[in-house]
Amino acid sequence: EPEVTQTPSHQVTQMGQEVILRCVPISNHLYFYWYRQILGQKVEFLVSFYNNEISEKSEIFDDQFSVERPDGSNFTLKIRSTKLEDSAMYFCASQPLGDDYTFGSGTRLTVV
Amino acid sequence: AQSVAQPEDQVNVAEGNPLTVKCTYSVSGNPYLFWYVQYPNRGLQFLLKYITGDNLVKGSYGFEAEFNKSQTSFHLKKPSALVSDSALYFCAVRDGGTYKYIFGTGTRLKVLA
Repeated sequence: EPEVTQTPSHQVTQMGQEVILRCVPISNHLYFYWYRQILGQKVEFLVSFYNNEISEKSEIFDDQFSVERPDGSNFTLKIRSTKLEDSAMYFCASQPLGDDYTFGSGTRLTVV
Repeated sequence: AQSVAQPEDQVNVAEGNPLTVKCTYSVSGNPYLFWYVQYPNRGLQFLLKYITGDNLVKGSYGFEAEFNKSQTSFHLKKPSALVSDSALYFCAVRDGGTYKYIFGTGTRLKVLA
């Protein structure tokens, strides 16, 4: 069964550093998403992406965050200057037209 | 605005007993409802969904959920709990216009041997 692949599974970064979280969506999917889960808490929507542009973003997704699909296969989330409160599990998801999501297994980001 | 509520932070049940994890929703329009499970240090695994049709939806690992329109509920159930069912369970509703998912706060299920 096709999977959404996220790398790395765990990343530790220093506060103020830039970090890029990578996702490889399922190949024929058209819609892409990032969600965040602060440890043990609810899963929160960050951003949706379709046709090479952001279609919706939440209040959390401020100027420190950006997404891109640089080569037609990867889908990345960049945090420019990480803060302690960015420590969370980040989930990527992809979706074909008219069907449901497939979530990746997540990247645990720890900002120290 | 769409929302879901999971009123219980934790549910404890003895192995072999039936389990219920509660979820209520608030949507405008037809609800698209989902249950996901998260094991420790793992991703979100799809269990089941309700889009339309029968109110009783069957899913993975023996779980089922009952859609109740009058009570705006979508409770997750299993007739006989296993210790391996211990995990964090999330109810979610999909925004029909944008496909964004709104998740509940999660319920930690602990099945005791």
